[in-house]
Amino acid sequence: EAGVTQFPSHSVIEKGQTVTLRCDPISGHDNLYWYRRVMGKEIKFLLHFVKESKQDESGMPNNRFLAERTGGTYSTLKVQPAELEDSGVYFCASSQGGQGKEKLFFGSGTQLSVL
Amino acid sequence: QKEVEQNSGPLSVPEGAIASLNCTYSDRVSQSFFWYRQYSGKSPELIMSIYSNGDKEDGRFTAQLNKASQYVSLLIRDSQPSDSATYLCAAERGFQKLVFGTGTRLLVSP
Repeated sequence: EAGVTQFPSHSVIEKGQTVTLRCDPISGHDNLYWYRRVMGKEIKFLLHFVKESKQDESGMPNNRFLAERTGGTYSTLKVQPAELEDSGVYFCASSQGGQGKEKLFFGSGTQLSVL
Repeated sequence: QKEVEQNSGPLSVPEGAIASLNCTYSDRVSQSFFWYRQYSGKSPELIMSIYSNGDKEDGRFTAQLNKASQYVSLLIRDSQPSDSATYLCAAERGFQKLVFGTGTRLLVSP
């Protein structure tokens, strides 16, 4: 079974440019999460999709960040325009639906560097 | 004060020893706690979850939770060099909305 896949693994862009990160969750997983780790800090929650709907986007830093989940499958996270403080590792995670204690599976992350 | 606190380490132990990793949390609302292991450049991998006070054992790993003291720990028995990684403690704040510590780096020397 394929795990959570993220593209690209690394992205280097200049301040002011746009970057789009992609996450392919494990097939059949309704829950999809974005987390971010900036240098020296802890991993922080950004938002949560249930299928194609945003369940919780309380962790999104500002309106330069836009997350979508087309048809409840893969998800994209766009940063426009990128700022220096957006640099970090962006993790995607997924889990099956339901209210039980489902295991959360993480991808290996996208390392974003804004210069 | 951070919501989940961990010593950054590194914690160095010899092969075969017990590694003890500790974590404290500030929000008493949290009921579920997790330990993730992350190798450099890889994805965080869930190794233990614990929901009630006491100990939970799984192979060489034992998680301990003390809600009165707001304290979570992970013991790794018979530590192996392959256990060398960063261990992340996380508290659940809402459905799978995790609050992480900064992680403790563990080094197991042969």
